[in-house]
Amino acid sequence: DAKTTQPPSMDCAEGRAANLPCNHSTISGNEYVYWYRQIHSQGPQYIIHGLKNNETNEMASLIITEDRKSSTLILPHATLRDTAVYYCIIYSGGGADGLTFGKGTHLIIQP
Amino acid sequence: NAGVTQTPKFRILKIGQSMTLQCTQDMNHNYMYWYRQDPGMGLKLIYYSVGAGITDKGEVPNGYNVSRSTTEDFPLRLELAAPSQTSVYFCASRGRGALGEKLFFGSGTQLSVL
Repeated sequence: DAKTTQPPSMDCAEGRAANLPCNHSTISGNEYVYWYRQIHSQGPQYIIHGLKNNETNEMASLIITEDRKSSTLILPHATLRDTAVYYCIIYSGGGADGLTFGKGTHLIIQP
Repeated sequence: NAGVTQTPKFRILKIGQSMTLQCTQDMNHNYMYWYRQDPGMGLKLIYYSVGAGITDKGEVPNGYNVSRSTTEDFPLRLELAAPSQTSVYFCASRGRGALGEKLFFGSGTQLSVL
């Protein structure tokens, strides 16, 4: 699976949109972009995933560039509870082996 | 549904002791996983299972053993605890064939080996 590059940390003001970038320049055509987050000391939580098209659910939006070499996770109205480590993961799916979690981005929402 | 349940939440072991970390899920998921997470790091896969009776090694299996006698349970065994095994351990599960890799995680076991 392709590797990802994320900034180690980011700040965002409460109530503003948080935009978390992820670079995955070696992504293959059949690989999905997944986002998880981990709130302090808890197990990671699934947020969203996509292949080519932009995706939106009740938690976030995922914007994937046309060449698929990068993506952005958007939390539209960040709250203090969104402070967490966010992981961008590339996975082809269909296999049994688990996802590979890097160091992610530590997002800090400022009051 | 309780989801994925891990016990215990905290444990302190002495070097050389053994213990079993328990993990059970009530979602009838085929795939189950054990990860460890060291401070400030991402998660590393220890072992995984695709169903009862079938297990396979992940990235960091040394010093650990697993078994999968039922769909629900996937215990992780430490035979001779070492300080290098001080970590937070997470169990996870997902259903078979789901393209959405929605892993469901337990709340973790914090283990210290002194």
